[in-house]
Amino acid sequence: DAGITQSPRHKVTETGTPVTLRCHQTENHRYMYWYRQDPGHGLRLIHYSYGVKDTDKGEVSDGYSVSRSKTEDFLLTLESATSSQTSVYFCAISESPDSPRPNGYTFGSGTRLTVV
Amino acid sequence: KNQVEQSPQSLIILEGKNCTLQCNYTVSPFSNLRWYKQDTGRGPVSLTIMTFSENTKSNGRYTATLDADTKQSSLHITASQLSDSASYICVVSARGGTYKYIFGTGTRLKVLA
Repeated sequence: DAGITQSPRHKVTETGTPVTLRCHQTENHRYMYWYRQDPGHGLRLIHYSYGVKDTDKGEVSDGYSVSRSKTEDFLLTLESATSSQTSVYFCAISESPDSPRPNGYTFGSGTRLTVV
Repeated sequence: KNQVEQSPQSLIILEGKNCTLQCNYTVSPFSNLRWYKQDTGRGPVSLTIMTFSENTKSNGRYTATLDADTKQSSLHITASQLSDSASYICVVSARGGTYKYIFGTGTRLKVLA
């Protein structure tokens, strides 16, 4: 997806280990978001950022932390991974909270994380 | 409570047929509504966006409608193709605050040859 890259694309990790997922953007958008997607659920917000060093919790933030030290990077950390955190994680970026532009809210390709 | 409900959950149609997906929402105050297409293993990709004053928006064979009075939207796919097989997600944005997006759980469409 143009302008937004997630890494890694796939990861398998053991329960109790720390894991960091990276979202990198080249659009210079102010807002960045981390979601998880599970069967039977819509995309659920974990954390979001509204500027460098400015972050806030979403609806499923327990067990996750984030950091944004520069505009282009938003990191999601699982301090001690659990099996319930097995999911597909998506990063999204937007220029404003409710941008009306067709491409004003775009998603990365996702990271498939498996905790065994 | 702000909610977005989509129906049906899944749908199977034959190639060349038309179909309509539904989205009902209770988000207030309303800002805009987006439809996304998500292919398996990929991130969602925007199809259309509509604001309060718009009631129809087209993108090729995809036509979205919005009735702000009844808080309903539909996505109509014309002359379906195998490549239309995907999940379609309705997302409603609310005005105010720093986070505003409410996601539906999606409709999974399968187009058969």
